[in-house]
Amino acid sequence: TQLLEQSPQFLSIQEGENLTVYCNSSSVFSSLQWYRQEPGEGPVLLVTVVTGGEVKKLKRLTFQFGDARKDSSLHITAAQTGDTGLYLCAALSNSGYALNFGKGTSLLVTP
Amino acid sequence: DAGVIQSPRHEVTEMGQEVTLRCKPISGHDYLFWYRQTMMRGLELLIYFNNNVPIDDSGMPEDRFSAKMPNASFSTLKIQPSEPRDSAVYFCASSAQEYYGYTFGSGTRLTVV
Repeated sequence: TQLLEQSPQFLSIQEGENLTVYCNSSSVFSSLQWYRQEPGEGPVLLVTVVTGGEVKKLKRLTFQFGDARKDSSLHITAAQTGDTGLYLCAALSNSGYALNFGKGTSLLVTP
Repeated sequence: DAGVIQSPRHEVTEMGQEVTLRCKPISGHDYLFWYRQTMMRGLELLIYFNNNVPIDDSGMPEDRFSAKMPNASFSTLKIQPSEPRDSAVYFCASSAQEYYGYTFGSGTRLTVV
């Protein structure tokens, strides 16, 4: 099972600040997904990136897939309190049949 | 669609008791997954089904855990006997195809005392 390492583990910022969180692995992935999980709920899919170097934008969130397809980043511009949550990256396992998840970055945005 | 529905939302049981968690996937989704989430280990895949057939149960921690999917609209995860170390949030997720994104339920928070 390939390991997905996410950093930082915890992040606390004020509203309006920018931030970037990372997802790294030694393995090459065919695709990578980002999810956000709010307290008491299950993860919700944000985006899937497939092509090396791909950049996808979702309002104030920008996702990038590394050229070598081993890493990904999530950048949030002008964070809002509603962005608070656990951000998880996930990729298919070596068998190709189920997602492995990183442990996530827990983001707290304060007013 | 109401999404993936899990029950119960919370379960508190005594060590040694049997626990059954339930899941109703999204209609038309061929894949169903059971995950367990803890602070220490994050989200761990326990087992997944394709068209009601178990495909990979290598994540099931021990023989105390079993999962079934008798039809396309229902799955159960059973722990017998339960132990305190089984305390976690258990999630069910479904997907239309293996490379698509997953839709998760709201989870069952299990506490074994």
